[in-house]
Amino acid sequence: NAGVTQTPKFRVLKTGQSMTLLCAQDMNHEYMYWYRQDPGMGLRLIHYSVGEGTTAKGEVPDGYNVSRLKKQNFLLGLESAAPSQTSVYFCASSYSTLAGRGETQYFGPGTRLLVL
Amino acid sequence: GENVEQHPSTLSVQEGDSAVIKCTYSDSASNYFPWYKQELGKRPQLIIDIRSNVGEKKDQRIAVTLNKTAKHFSLHITETQPEDSAVYFCAASIGTGNTGKLIFGQGTTLQVKP
Repeated sequence: NAGVTQTPKFRVLKTGQSMTLLCAQDMNHEYMYWYRQDPGMGLRLIHYSVGEGTTAKGEVPDGYNVSRLKKQNFLLGLESAAPSQTSVYFCASSYSTLAGRGETQYFGPGTRLLVL
Repeated sequence: GENVEQHPSTLSVQEGDSAVIKCTYSDSASNYFPWYKQELGKRPQLIIDIRSNVGEKKDQRIAVTLNKTAKHFSLHITETQPEDSAVYFCAASIGTGNTGKLIFGQGTTLQVKP
């Protein structure tokens, strides 16, 4: 099992460019999440999904879009990157809370994004 | 909105001493409280968690206590070792709906001096 993987590991963008971050999990998890991590601010939820074909906004969704076309993949898009989006992005996944297995979230290795 | 406050933001201890990190949460419906450890440049990894029907849980040198009345939970690390040096995050489940969402504290940087 690879667990949760993310691509790319690191990316430099110019202001206004677009990009897509890919998260993949092979644990058959229903729920998937995108976070950003900034110094002194912990992990903040951008968007999340409770199943294939569903997405919802988290705490800091502005400037980002997501899609979950397949259960194992969760894509995070930046349509027009801004310097304020310089951050480390983590994807996480978990079993459904309805399955009674708890809400442990398993994190990917992160993507470091620098927007100039 | 819901929030989780974590203190202290930095903590320095001597090897062998105990370390305590405290969190308070605002959502009275929160029922799941995990703790994550993040080493430099790595992903957060779960080290222990507790549910609202339990007051304390222990795993070797790590323990977590929960006071639901006060909306307060704490991480206790005994006999600290240099490899315990990392950033620790507490989190609380957001109570409404089956979304599995967590809200995280700001993190505590623990330094264990040899």
